[in-house]
Amino acid sequence: NAGVTQTPKFQVLKTGQSMTLQCAQDMNHEYMSWYRQDPGMGLRLIHYSVGAGITDQGEVPNGYNVSRSTTEDFPLRLLSAAPSQTSVYFCASSFALAGEQYFGPGTRLTVT
Amino acid sequence: AQSVSQHNHHVILSEAASLELGCNYSYGGTVNLFWYVQYPGQHLQLLLKYFSGDPLVKGIKGFEAEFIKSKFSFNLRKPSVQWSDTAEYFCAALRWSNQGGKLIFGQGTELSVKP
Repeated sequence: NAGVTQTPKFQVLKTGQSMTLQCAQDMNHEYMSWYRQDPGMGLRLIHYSVGAGITDQGEVPNGYNVSRSTTEDFPLRLLSAAPSQTSVYFCASSFALAGEQYFGPGTRLTVT
Repeated sequence: AQSVSQHNHHVILSEAASLELGCNYSYGGTVNLFWYVQYPGQHLQLLLKYFSGDPLVKGIKGFEAEFIKSKFSFNLRKPSVQWSDTAEYFCAALRWSNQGGKLIFGQGTELSVKP
Protein backbone atom coordinates (compact mmCIF):
# COMPACT_ATOMS: atom_id res chain seq x y z
CA ASN A 1 0.00 0.00 0.00
CA ALA A 2 1.18 3.51 -0.79
CA GLY A 3 -0.85 4.89 2.13
CA VAL A 4 -1.77 8.55 1.78
CA THR A 5 -0.12 10.39 -1.10
CA GLN A 6 -0.13 14.11 -1.78
CA THR A 7 0.94 16.10 -4.82
CA PRO A 8 2.69 18.39 -5.36
CA LYS A 9 5.26 18.45 -2.53
CA PHE A 10 6.09 22.11 -3.11
CA GLN A 11 4.20 24.88 -4.88
CA VAL A 12 4.63 28.61 -5.32
CA LEU A 13 1.62 30.65 -6.40
CA LYS A 14 1.00 34.29 -7.09
CA THR A 15 -1.83 36.07 -5.31
CA GLY A 16 -5.11 35.42 -7.09
CA GLN A 17 -4.07 32.18 -8.79
CA SER A 18 -6.04 29.02 -8.22
CA MET A 19 -4.82 25.48 -7.84
CA THR A 20 -5.77 22.02 -6.60
CA LEU A 21 -3.84 20.03 -4.04
CA GLN A 22 -4.25 16.33 -4.68
CA CYS A 23 -4.73 13.67 -2.01
CA ALA A 24 -5.27 9.97 -2.54
CA GLN A 25 -5.36 6.91 -0.29
CA ASP A 26 -5.41 3.24 -1.16
CA MET A 27 -6.57 1.87 2.21
CA ASN A 28 -10.31 2.09 1.48
CA HIS A 29 -10.72 4.62 4.29
CA GLU A 30 -14.06 6.39 4.56
CA TYR A 31 -12.87 9.39 6.55
CA MET A 32 -10.54 11.93 4.94
CA SER A 33 -9.54 15.40 6.00
CA TRP A 34 -7.35 18.37 5.16
CA TYR A 35 -5.29 20.32 7.69
CA ARG A 36 -2.97 23.26 7.47
CA GLN A 37 0.02 23.52 9.78
CA ASP A 38 1.37 26.92 10.77
CA PRO A 39 4.03 27.72 13.40
CA GLY A 40 2.46 28.15 16.82
CA MET A 41 -1.00 27.25 15.53
CA GLY A 42 -0.74 23.48 15.37
CA LEU A 43 -2.89 21.73 12.80
CA ARG A 44 -6.17 23.37 11.88
CA LEU A 45 -8.91 21.43 10.17
CA ILE A 46 -9.97 22.90 6.81
CA HIS A 47 -12.52 20.40 5.47
CA TYR A 48 -13.34 16.77 6.04
CA SER A 49 -15.36 13.98 4.50
CA VAL A 50 -17.02 10.94 6.07
CA GLY A 51 -17.50 9.19 2.75
CA ALA A 52 -17.90 9.66 -0.99
CA GLY A 53 -20.30 12.51 -1.71
CA ILE A 54 -20.25 13.84 1.86
CA THR A 55 -18.10 16.78 2.95
CA ASP A 56 -18.26 19.31 5.75
CA GLN A 57 -16.39 22.37 6.93
CA GLY A 58 -13.71 22.34 9.57
CA GLU A 59 -12.28 25.21 11.60
CA VAL A 60 -10.82 27.31 8.76
CA PRO A 61 -12.74 26.56 5.53
CA ASN A 62 -12.77 30.02 3.96
CA GLY A 63 -10.94 30.20 0.64
CA TYR A 64 -10.95 26.43 0.12
CA ASN A 65 -13.27 23.99 -1.62
CA VAL A 66 -13.37 20.21 -1.53
CA SER A 67 -15.28 17.42 -3.19
CA ARG A 68 -15.31 13.67 -2.69
CA SER A 69 -16.44 11.86 -5.81
CA THR A 70 -14.60 8.63 -4.96
CA THR A 71 -13.49 6.93 -1.76
CA GLU A 72 -9.85 7.22 -2.79
CA ASP A 73 -9.50 10.90 -3.71
CA PHE A 74 -10.07 14.11 -1.76
CA PRO A 75 -8.70 17.16 -3.62
CA LEU A 76 -8.44 20.58 -2.00
CA ARG A 77 -9.01 23.59 -4.22
CA LEU A 78 -7.72 27.08 -3.53
CA LEU A 79 -10.06 29.41 -5.36
CA SER A 80 -7.98 32.62 -5.32
CA ALA A 81 -4.71 32.24 -3.46
CA ALA A 82 -3.77 34.78 -0.79
CA PRO A 83 -0.51 35.21 1.15
CA SER A 84 -2.38 34.12 4.30
CA GLN A 85 -2.70 30.68 2.72
CA THR A 86 1.05 30.16 2.79
CA SER A 87 1.32 27.01 4.89
CA VAL A 88 2.04 23.30 4.95
CA TYR A 89 -1.02 21.28 4.02
CA PHE A 90 -1.60 17.75 5.26
CA CYS A 91 -4.16 15.27 4.10
CA ALA A 92 -5.19 12.45 6.43
CA SER A 93 -7.43 9.42 6.27
CA SER A 94 -8.78 6.85 8.68
CA PHE A 95 -10.89 3.73 8.54
CA ALA A 96 -13.31 5.13 11.10
CA LEU A 97 -13.91 8.61 12.42
CA ALA A 98 -12.44 7.70 15.79
CA GLY A 99 -9.64 5.64 14.35
CA GLU A 100 -5.97 6.35 13.84
CA GLN A 101 -5.37 9.08 11.28
CA TYR A 102 -2.82 8.30 8.58
CA PHE A 103 -1.14 11.45 7.34
CA GLY A 104 0.33 12.22 3.96
CA PRO A 105 3.80 13.77 3.53
CA GLY A 106 2.43 17.29 3.15
CA THR A 107 2.45 20.04 0.52
CA ARG A 108 4.42 23.19 1.24
CA LEU A 109 2.61 26.10 -0.40
CA THR A 110 3.96 29.62 -0.72
CA VAL A 111 1.76 32.44 -1.99
CA THR A 112 3.58 35.60 -3.03
CA ALA B 1 -11.79 29.82 20.89
CA GLN B 2 -9.28 27.01 20.77
CA SER B 3 -11.00 23.76 21.73
CA VAL B 4 -7.75 22.00 22.54
CA SER B 5 -4.98 23.80 24.41
CA GLN B 6 -1.41 22.75 24.98
CA HIS B 7 0.24 24.91 27.58
CA ASN B 8 3.87 24.32 26.76
CA HIS B 9 5.10 25.57 23.42
CA HIS B 10 8.70 24.45 23.80
CA VAL B 11 10.12 22.10 26.40
CA ILE B 12 13.83 21.40 26.78
CA LEU B 13 14.95 18.40 28.84
CA SER B 14 18.08 16.41 29.43
CA GLU B 15 18.13 12.70 28.70
CA ALA B 16 16.63 10.57 31.50
CA ALA B 17 14.48 13.44 32.76
CA SER B 18 10.78 12.86 33.23
CA LEU B 19 8.30 14.41 30.83
CA GLU B 20 4.80 15.74 31.27
CA LEU B 21 3.07 17.70 28.52
CA GLY B 22 -0.22 19.37 29.32
CA CYS B 23 -3.37 19.17 27.22
CA ASN B 24 -6.83 20.56 28.01
CA TYR B 25 -9.99 20.48 25.96
CA SER B 26 -12.83 22.91 26.36
CA TYR B 27 -16.09 21.09 25.68
CA GLY B 28 -18.19 18.47 27.36
CA GLY B 29 -20.00 15.42 26.16
CA THR B 30 -18.46 12.34 24.69
CA VAL B 31 -14.85 12.93 23.80
CA ASN B 32 -12.15 10.83 22.27
CA LEU B 33 -8.58 12.01 22.85
CA PHE B 34 -5.33 11.41 21.06
CA TRP B 35 -1.64 12.25 21.17
CA TYR B 36 0.28 12.40 17.90
CA VAL B 37 4.01 12.91 17.37
CA GLN B 38 5.86 14.44 14.45
CA TYR B 39 9.57 13.58 14.32
CA PRO B 40 11.74 15.96 12.29
CA GLY B 41 11.03 15.54 8.60
CA GLN B 42 8.43 12.82 9.14
CA HIS B 43 4.66 12.37 9.05
CA LEU B 44 2.49 12.69 12.12
CA GLN B 45 1.99 9.34 13.79
CA LEU B 46 -0.26 8.16 16.58
CA LEU B 47 1.26 7.73 20.05
CA LEU B 48 -1.86 6.74 21.97
CA LYS B 49 -5.60 7.29 22.22
CA TYR B 50 -8.37 7.28 24.79
CA PHE B 51 -11.91 6.19 24.00
CA SER B 52 -13.34 4.88 27.26
CA GLY B 53 -12.53 2.67 30.23
CA ASP B 54 -9.24 2.89 32.09
CA PRO B 55 -8.28 6.58 32.16
CA LEU B 56 -4.57 5.69 32.13
CA VAL B 57 -3.65 4.88 28.56
CA LYS B 58 -0.35 3.37 27.48
CA GLY B 59 1.06 4.02 24.05
CA ILE B 60 4.13 3.27 22.01
CA LYS B 61 7.73 4.01 23.00
CA GLY B 62 6.99 4.15 26.74
CA PHE B 63 4.52 7.04 26.58
CA GLU B 64 1.33 7.14 28.63
CA ALA B 65 -1.45 9.63 29.19
CA GLU B 66 -4.06 10.11 31.87
CA PHE B 67 -7.59 11.28 31.16
CA ILE B 68 -9.00 13.35 34.03
CA LYS B 69 -12.57 14.17 33.16
CA SER B 70 -13.07 16.65 36.03
CA LYS B 71 -10.12 18.69 34.81
CA PHE B 72 -10.82 18.28 31.08
CA SER B 73 -7.21 17.17 30.77
CA PHE B 74 -5.26 14.50 28.93
CA ASN B 75 -1.61 14.99 29.87
CA LEU B 76 1.17 13.02 28.21
CA ARG B 77 3.92 11.49 30.33
CA LYS B 78 7.14 9.54 29.99
CA PRO B 79 9.29 8.58 32.99
CA SER B 80 12.65 8.91 31.22
CA VAL B 81 13.10 10.68 27.88
CA GLN B 82 15.69 9.87 25.25
CA TRP B 83 17.38 12.04 22.66
CA SER B 84 15.27 10.24 20.03
CA ASP B 85 12.10 11.66 21.62
CA THR B 86 12.99 15.07 20.19
CA ALA B 87 9.90 15.92 18.16
CA GLU B 88 6.72 17.97 18.12
CA TYR B 89 3.80 16.55 20.07
CA PHE B 90 0.16 17.26 19.32
CA CYS B 91 -2.88 16.61 21.45
CA ALA B 92 -6.17 16.14 19.59
CA ALA B 93 -9.82 15.73 20.50
CA LEU B 94 -12.59 14.25 18.42
CA ARG B 95 -15.73 16.36 18.61
CA TRP B 96 -18.77 14.36 17.57
CA SER B 97 -21.50 16.16 15.62
CA ASN B 98 -24.57 15.42 13.54
CA GLN B 99 -22.34 15.44 10.45
CA GLY B 100 -19.97 12.92 11.95
CA GLY B 101 -17.20 14.62 13.81
CA LYS B 102 -14.15 16.82 13.70
CA LEU B 103 -10.67 15.97 14.93
CA ILE B 104 -9.32 19.17 16.46
CA PHE B 105 -5.63 19.56 17.26
CA GLY B 106 -3.85 21.67 19.83
CA GLN B 107 -1.07 24.10 19.01
CA GLY B 108 1.66 21.54 19.52
CA THR B 109 4.58 21.29 21.94
CA GLU B 110 8.11 21.12 20.65
CA LEU B 111 10.28 18.84 22.78
CA SER B 112 14.06 19.10 22.60
CA VAL B 113 16.04 16.46 24.48
CA LYS B 114 19.69 17.24 25.12
CA PRO B 115 22.07 14.23 25.06
